[in-house]
Amino acid sequence: DQQVKQNSPSLSVQEGRISILNCDYTNSMFDYFLWYKKYPAEGPTFLISISSIKDKNEDGRFTVFLNKSAKHLSLHIVPSQPGDSAVYFCAASKSSGDKLTFGTGTRLAVRP
Amino acid sequence: GAVVSQHPSWVICKSGTSVKIECRSLDFQATTMFWYRQFPKQSLMLMATSNEGSKATYEQGVEKDKFLINHASLTLSTLTVTSAHPEDSSFYICSALDRRGYEQYFGPGTRLTVT
Repeated sequence: DQQVKQNSPSLSVQEGRISILNCDYTNSMFDYFLWYKKYPAEGPTFLISISSIKDKNEDGRFTVFLNKSAKHLSLHIVPSQPGDSAVYFCAASKSSGDKLTFGTGTRLAVRP
Repeated sequence: GAVVSQHPSWVICKSGTSVKIECRSLDFQATTMFWYRQFPKQSLMLMATSNEGSKATYEQGVEKDKFLINHASLTLSTLTVTSAHPEDSSFYICSALDRRGYEQYFGPGTRLTVT
């Protein structure tokens, strides 16, 4: 039972353009959401988070949008850079600091 | 920033032997640590939650007698894979919860290969 899904296994974007990564969840108890960037054989690197009381959070080039009624969140990266190429995971928990349920991951490739 | 280390970074062992993986929070105290496992091209799956001074809480389907977790101090948790088999070959990642900020910080991971 995959409670957090990322339906696009891969995404290719031109440098300078916007990258949009999507994530859907099914558990209505999830209240806190995070995005991580990951390279092979390394631990995840935290990018940005959002709690359910907000619908948007922005940090530099990264913006996360949350649509709680649709149980959907997205990560926008603007402008995309080649160094952004990696696998991106969304994760959800019932509260900040609680155990995380990870999505299936989306491999982003930013073309120079 | 908060740093979490894992040791070893990779290990190869023979089937039937046991392997211990350490997870340390280097510059903060972590009352809770989490252990995840990632198979190739798959997601990170939570195995267990480790609390300092108490028994670990295992996720459904994870054998507690096979994956022994000890959280003996506020900066160290260990995962021991007992009687390892080739199907235990995976990438094991820990995270440590910084109670000051309720943030989880991930270690670099340990690649285990069982031959």
